Amino acid sequence: DVKVTQSSRYLVKRTGEKVFLECVQDMDHENMFWYRQDPGLGLRLIYFSYDVKMKEKGDIPEGYSVSREKKERFSLILESASTNQTSMYLCASSFLGRFGGPSYEQYFGPGTRLTVT
Amino acid sequence: DAKTTQPTSMDCAEGRAANLPCNHSTISGNEYVYWYRQIHSQGPQYIIHGLKNNETNEMASLIITEDRKSSTLILPHATLRDTAVYYCIASLGNMLTFGGGTRLMVKP
Repeated sequence: DVKVTQSSRYLVKRTGEKVFLECVQDMDHENMFWYRQDPGLGLRLIYFSYDVKMKEKGDIPEGYSVSREKKERFSLILESASTNQTSMYLCASSFLGRFGGPSYEQYFGPGTRLTVT
Repeated sequence: DAKTTQPTSMDCAEGRAANLPCNHSTISGNEYVYWYRQIHSQGPQYIIHGLKNNETNEMASLIITEDRKSSTLILPHATLRDTAVYYCIASLGNMLTFGGGTRLMVKP
């Protein structure tokens, strides 16, 4: 059974703090993703990684950075948290699709609800 | 990714088929159509995907029109546990763009 785990279900941080959100998958997936989900805006991709130390910006990377030092772990970093980063953060992983072929099923973690006050 | 358009919400009676439409009129020839759903308080879950042909698995069927400009996800016998937001995505490559989706309410 594929498992994607996230370090916290709920997190409360203060404005200006550095925040780390951790995601771990146990299926040897090459791809890992970070999304945020806000009411009325759906899921938006923040960053994507297809290999260790590799990353690509998604639709809304501003204010975020990522780290992938090991294949199974993908971290999202908020360098200086702001109130507009209050959101639900979802991590996902999948196998790497071949060029021109379909993407593989993304498996999602349970999410971290981050509140920045 | 091609833009997709879905109704905001739909209702379905329990035990009946739920037919969820999706419009993707600008889809390119090699973009796939994916469906995911998100049950309240959980992460999204993959349902099915297709390119040209109709597809069926244990969860649902996907009907893609011949011109590929639209598709329909069919849940043959909806249950209360199928109440969720359903996302239709047209994409090429590993990244998917989730839109607003359709909120399906299955009623007893």
